Amino acid sequence: GENVEQHPSTLSVQEGDSAVIKCTYSDSASNYFPWYKQELGKGPQLIIDIRSNVGEKKDQRIAVTLNKTAKHFSLHITETQPEDSAVYFCAASIEDDKIIFGKGTRLHILP
Amino acid sequence: GAVVSQHPSWVICKSGTSVKIECRSLDFQATTMFWYRQFPKQSLMLMATSNEGSKATYEQGVEKDKFLINHASLTLSTLTVTSAHPEDSSFYICSARVGGDTQYFGPGTRLTVL
Repeated sequence: GENVEQHPSTLSVQEGDSAVIKCTYSDSASNYFPWYKQELGKGPQLIIDIRSNVGEKKDQRIAVTLNKTAKHFSLHITETQPEDSAVYFCAASIEDDKIIFGKGTRLHILP
Repeated sequence: GAVVSQHPSWVICKSGTSVKIECRSLDFQATTMFWYRQFPKQSLMLMATSNEGSKATYEQGVEKDKFLINHASLTLSTLTVTSAHPEDSSFYICSARVGGDTQYFGPGTRLTVL
């Protein structure tokens, strides 16, 4: 079955700097890659997703890149702000199948 | 994005009692809903997949007689934790699938069993 590895587990960046979180997946059939942000005591919130037919997607300060050959995808957050502090989860799935989550990255934005 | 609600947001119960958690899709119909469990500082663990009008599919290691799932309509799924014990204390989160793959999550329910 699919396995998703996520790094780093913890990331601290200075406010205004960029943050990058990387994930790898094992099943080459996976074609959908969402990213979720989870704040303390709340459910995960979908922040961006990418499908296998594109290599990059951007939404304001957030971007995701996908390398199907290498089976890895990354989340990039630019101009980080205090409200970006949260736990971020990457995930992978084959359409209509269950989503497999990474173990999460705890992002701290330092003042 | 699509909105998913859960009720209650938190519940405290005595050991041996049963607790029901509701998951609703507010502005869309969801043929498939999912139930997850999350322990502190850990990732989400899928418990079961719930399809409207049919029996839920449970993940390996999840007791189907303990965690009863009902998906009676396209907007409502319920999880009942039967004969709850302290080890069942956790954060339970549902999600609803829109289209082929996108899942939207509810705000979660924190269960504490005394």
